[in-house]
Amino acid sequence: SSDLTQDPAVSVALGQTVRITCQGDSLRTYYASWCRQKPGQAPVLVLFGKNKRPSGIPDRFSGTTSGDTASLTITGAQAEDEADYYCTSRDSSGNHHVVFGGGTKLTVL
Amino acid sequence: QVQLVQSGAEVKKPGASVKVSCKVSGYTLTELSIHWVRQTPGKGLEWMGGFDPEDDGETLYAQKFQGRVTMTEDTSTDTTYIDLSSLKSEDTAVYYCTTAGFDYWGQGTLVTVSS
Repeated sequence: SSDLTQDPAVSVALGQTVRITCQGDSLRTYYASWCRQKPGQAPVLVLFGKNKRPSGIPDRFSGTTSGDTASLTITGAQAEDEADYYCTSRDSSGNHHVVFGGGTKLTVL
Repeated sequence: QVQLVQSGAEVKKPGASVKVSCKVSGYTLTELSIHWVRQTPGKGLEWMGGFDPEDDGETLYAQKFQGRVTMTEDTSTDTTYIDLSSLKSEDTAVYYCTTAGFDYWGQGTLVTVSS
């Protein structure tokens, strides 16, 4: 089980917009970060804090939070965006522990 | 630019212990907080623990691994280690070191537990 809940799979047509969500009580207090992982590779951070992108991440990636739900939006999805996406944040117990969502497999059609 | 380079793959028998290393370059270990995350085959990411400067400088361990995991640092070589004991087949996974903000990751170390 996870303190952060994600849909297992989402699909999007090439060039369209897709939103991947992450729900959890701790998101009312802490921002989510988002990592992308392609098969056989280490994860890569794509979003953190209040809608901040690390260097090298294209601006088609954006994030929002509303209540207990954080969202990662990809505007104009590309074939190379097909991957597993994980949200992460502190857990809801206030002990500074970290938790990951179960991950969302994004398929670009 | 931070680089994290992990030690090589390990094969262990049930009940044994494994120690995986993660060498930091580009920064010194004292400037970073390193966490460990694992991924069992076909599954998601699982946080195991890490150094938290906000928590009086303590190392935090996920409850699931309490009593079995130890994370240590050697600041003279900028290398951090995770030691997992009483291994079970369910511990077969790729183990990653990562910075606290998850902005830099090691390449991963496959630990296989098999009799």
